[in-house]
Amino acid sequence: KQEVTQIPAALSVPEGENLVLNCSFTDSAIYNLQWFRQDPGKGLTSLLLIQSSQREQTSGRLNASLDKSSGRSTLYIAASQPGDSATYLCAVRDTGSNFGNEKLTFGTGTRLTIIP
Amino acid sequence: GAVVSQHPSRVICKSGTSVKIECRSLDFQATTMFWYRQFPKKSLMLMATSNEGSKATYEQGVEKDKFLINHASLTLSTLTVTSAHPEDSSFYICSARDRGWLGAPQHFGDGTRLSIL
Repeated sequence: KQEVTQIPAALSVPEGENLVLNCSFTDSAIYNLQWFRQDPGKGLTSLLLIQSSQREQTSGRLNASLDKSSGRSTLYIAASQPGDSATYLCAVRDTGSNFGNEKLTFGTGTRLTIIP
Repeated sequence: GAVVSQHPSRVICKSGTSVKIECRSLDFQATTMFWYRQFPKKSLMLMATSNEGSKATYEQGVEKDKFLINHASLTLSTLTVTSAHPEDSSFYICSARDRGWLGAPQHFGDGTRLSIL
């Protein structure tokens, strides 16, 4: 059974700093890994999707890496801003997921606070 | 970008009431939609996978008769919480995947906060 862990559960950093969020998963047979952002009381916004054959993806100030063999992914946020404050979730989709029944296993998230 | 609309955003109702939540893909067709439940400060747990034109696939431990799912078209799936009780109070989120390719990401709605009195 796939298990996804995110450490730390909460993180506070001053505005302008670069930071790294961590995600680890127990079963390396994944199809892809996705990073999401969730604002309080809201749904999820997809940030980056990394296919199993890829090692990283970039979007603006965000960079996500994937090391499938070690079961790890990181989300790097450059030059953090107060607007980046949110909960960040990673989710993995296993290769055992069949077409039309692809389950995402989510981590419990990291609650990020950027201090102005 | 792909947009998923979920309605209503918040529901407060009495115990015993049935509540219907809608999930629509606005600018793409979704053969498959997903329903998740999220408890406070917890992660999302998949409840069921909704497939257009066929029966939903429920995760272990999820009551099919309690959480009725209908996926009548390529852009709409509904979740009905039947005879809701306080323990059903939670945040429910749907997602949809573009039918175009298997590796497409899931796009999420804004969620529905359900409170049963």
